[in-house]
Amino acid sequence: AQSVTQLGSHVSVSEGALVLLRCNYSSSVPPYLFWYVQYPNQGLQLLLKYTTGATLVKGINGFEAEFKKSETSFHLTKPSAHMSDAAEYFCAVSPSGGYNKLIFGAGTRLAVHP
Amino acid sequence: GAGVSQSPSNKVTEKGKDVELRCDPISGHTALYWYRQSLGQGLEFLIYFQGNSAPDKSGLPSDRFSAERTGGSVSTLTIQRTQQEDSAVYLCASSLSGGAGLDEQFFGPGTRLTVL
Repeated sequence: AQSVTQLGSHVSVSEGALVLLRCNYSSSVPPYLFWYVQYPNQGLQLLLKYTTGATLVKGINGFEAEFKKSETSFHLTKPSAHMSDAAEYFCAVSPSGGYNKLIFGAGTRLAVHP
Repeated sequence: GAGVSQSPSNKVTEKGKDVELRCDPISGHTALYWYRQSLGQGLEFLIYFQGNSAPDKSGLPSDRFSAERTGGSVSTLTIQRTQQEDSAVYLCASSLSGGAGLDEQFFGPGTRLTVL
């Protein structure tokens, strides 16, 4: 069965610092991979996704993620954190070749301080 | 166009009562998903609809949970004889066709269910 592990339930960074949120997946075949963001009292919003092709994926709000098959990882990064990035971030996988059932990680809450 | 809407936004009920949660997907989206977000379990898949059919109900936690979709549009998630462990935010999402990885899932704001 596929699963997703997000290292660190809480991450705190200074404004302007690098953001790195970690995600590892387990799957017998490379799945499709997603990062979602949930701002306080709002629904989930897709940040970016990897399906096939280029392993470095760029998303909204300056975020990007790199698919590394050898490490079964899909870490999310942003070079410079903004206060508005404070939110909860979820990594998710979906089996390739099937429909879009999403299996989520436990989430990482990002705090950005001045 | 409107996004995915869910009603009610909040529901407080007593243990043992039945509740119905409603989801209105984006018009034209054939795929519809229900998820549950709770403190202990994180975000869990519950059920997937393609049109009015539910080919995957594997995430429904017990036979107290059921869902239907009519007219390829509105979906209702029903929880019978609610228990305190059912307290969670129930999220609905829809996508254009459900093709793996190809279609973005758009999420509604959720229904927060509290069982006293």
